[in-house]
Amino acid sequence: DAKTTQPPSMDCAEGRAANLPCNHSTISGNEYVYWYRQIHSQGPQYIIHGLKNNETNEMASLIITEDRKSSTLILPHATLRDTAVYYCIALNNAGNMLTFGGGTRLMVKP
Amino acid sequence: ETGVTQSPTHLIKTRGQQVTLRCSSQSGHNTVSWYQQALGQGPQFIFQYYREEENGRGNFPPRFSGLQFPNYSSELNVNALELDDSALYLCASREGLGVRAQYFGPGTRLLVL
Repeated sequence: DAKTTQPPSMDCAEGRAANLPCNHSTISGNEYVYWYRQIHSQGPQYIIHGLKNNETNEMASLIITEDRKSSTLILPHATLRDTAVYYCIALNNAGNMLTFGGGTRLMVKP
Repeated sequence: ETGVTQSPTHLIKTRGQQVTLRCSSQSGHNTVSWYQQALGQGPQFIFQYYREEENGRGNFPPRFSGLQFPNYSSELNVNALELDDSALYLCASREGLGVRAQYFGPGTRLLVL
């Protein structure tokens, strides 16, 4: 599975959009981009995934560049409860394991 | 719909002992994966079970073993505990294999003294 690179930390003001970038320049054609988050001392929580097209659900939007070398997770109106470590993971259709890197520690501030 | 549950929530063992951790998968999910998360690090894949068979294993020694039962619940067994086994153990379930979101339980925090 392709390696992903994320900034180690980011801040966001409460109520504003949080845009979390992820670089996956070696991603192959059959690898999906998954996003999970982990709030302190809890199990990771699935957020969203996509292959080529942009995706949106009740939690977030996922924007994937046309060349698929990078993506951005967007939390449209961040709240204090969104403070967490966010992981971007590339995984192919046959992939068994999620390979978690360092993630981005998002701090939402009042 | 009941989510993924794990037991116990916390556990303290001494070096050399054996431990069994349990996971009940979400209703309708027949695949269970186990992860180890050391303090300050991301989760590391241990192994996965699909329909009671091991279906993938990470870089963990044989003293880490598991089972999946006909109701798709699962156990993680660790023999000859070492201090470095102290971690949060997470299980995740999903329906089938391939492109599916995995849903994690709250974890079992193991401390080895």
